[in-house]
Amino acid sequence: DIQMTQSPSSLSASVGDRVTITCRASQSIMSYLNWYQENSGKAPKLLIYVSSTLHSGVPSRFAGSGSGTYFTLTISNLQPEDFGTYYCQQSYITPWTFGQGTKVEVK
Amino acid sequence: EAQLVESGGGSVQPGGSLSLSCAASGFTFSDHSLNWVRQTPGKGLEWISYISRDGSDIYHADSVKGRITVSRDNAKTSLYLQMTNLRAEDTAAYYCTRNLKDNSGSFDLWGQGALVTVSS
Repeated sequence: DIQMTQSPSSLSASVGDRVTITCRASQSIMSYLNWYQENSGKAPKLLIYVSSTLHSGVPSRFAGSGSGTYFTLTISNLQPEDFGTYYCQQSYITPWTFGQGTKVEVK
Repeated sequence: EAQLVESGGGSVQPGGSLSLSCAASGFTFSDHSLNWVRQTPGKGLEWISYISRDGSDIYHADSVKGRITVSRDNAKTSLYLQMTNLRAEDTAAYYCTRNLKDNSGSFDLWGQGALVTVSS
């Protein structure tokens, strides 16, 4: 199975900050990398797919990049509704696997 | 509005079985492949099953293989999961998820989750 490793596990930030989360795959997954946001105990929501494509309705302050084994999610101008937990997930090959999550907290 | 709603969660004894349903609405159900994904505080998010648009292709994670049956009824716009020989580690919130039309494995719609607790 492909292992997905996110860093950091948590971070503290303020409204207006720029935040970057990294995700590494244990082998190349080309660009088959998705990002999800989970907050307030609700189900995760798809933010970005195939590394850099913004899902419908997702604000442009979210941006994804990377290919192969290294990927990043950047949130520019962090907003109050952005605090929560972010997960990366590879869709290159089953079993599709998730990272352990990065919790973005209020500083 | 597109929606997935799971039902059937609850408390189950070890060795028992569970049945979950997922009712879809607000979109063309047969246009999308579907999955079951579960979440636990300890293991995080885990994809456990995929079913193709017409139900002809089904894949399962090794952790549930041999114990799981997944099916769908496109006429009833519903997805189903049955799992047997339940263990404590199957305790989780179970989500049905929809795949993007052109990107299987990208889960663009999630249900609210059905909590399953395996305990004696």
